Amino acid sequence: SAVISQKPSRDICQRGTSLTIQCQVDSQVTMMFWYRQQPGQSLTLIATANQGSEATYESGFVIDKFPISRPNLTFSTLTVSNMSPEDSSIYLCSFDRSQETQYFGPGTRLLVL
Amino acid sequence: GENVEQHPSTLSVQEGDSAVIKCTYSDSASNYFPWYKQELGKRPQLIIDIRSNVGEKKDQRIAVTLNKTAKHFSLHITETQPEDSAVYFCAASKTDKLIFGTGTRLQVFP
Repeated sequence: SAVISQKPSRDICQRGTSLTIQCQVDSQVTMMFWYRQQPGQSLTLIATANQGSEATYESGFVIDKFPISRPNLTFSTLTVSNMSPEDSSIYLCSFDRSQETQYFGPGTRLLVL
Repeated sequence: GENVEQHPSTLSVQEGDSAVIKCTYSDSASNYFPWYKQELGKRPQLIIDIRSNVGEKKDQRIAVTLNKTAKHFSLHITETQPEDSAVYFCAASKTDKLIFGTGTRLQVFP
């Protein structure tokens, strides 16, 4: 099975700054996704990262705040822009090789001061 | 859009007892229903899934049942062990996008 990793694993950032999270899968996958998991909460889909085109964002999430790149079939980045304390959360990427089964990365724990 | 409700939010059982977690979904077109287990500080791990053409699926001590008419599905864990303690999330999907339930914190007491 594919291995999925994320960098950084955690970070503490100042409000107003931006952080880019990287997600790497060790083999080509069709779909990649980005989720947010606020403390003690469930997972909320931010967007689907499409290879070679713009990401597809869910209601409540916009490209200016969460720009996403997907330059190839194994890699994606999520940027959290102009951060505020409300952005403190765990950000998870996942991939779907086929038939909708998703596997998650280890997550990036973000604290915004 | 799809909405997934999950109950109970917390569940405490004695080791060896069974645990049941229930989810309902709103979109009758949803056709894929996975369950994830998330231990503290770790990533969600897929433990079992079921597709809409099947009514029940079992994997050792874990089983999932699906009632398409009523739009609900359930996770059954038998002979619970302390290592089953975690947060469990159900999800529903029809087009690759997973919509998650709110989670159930399961505690298994020795």
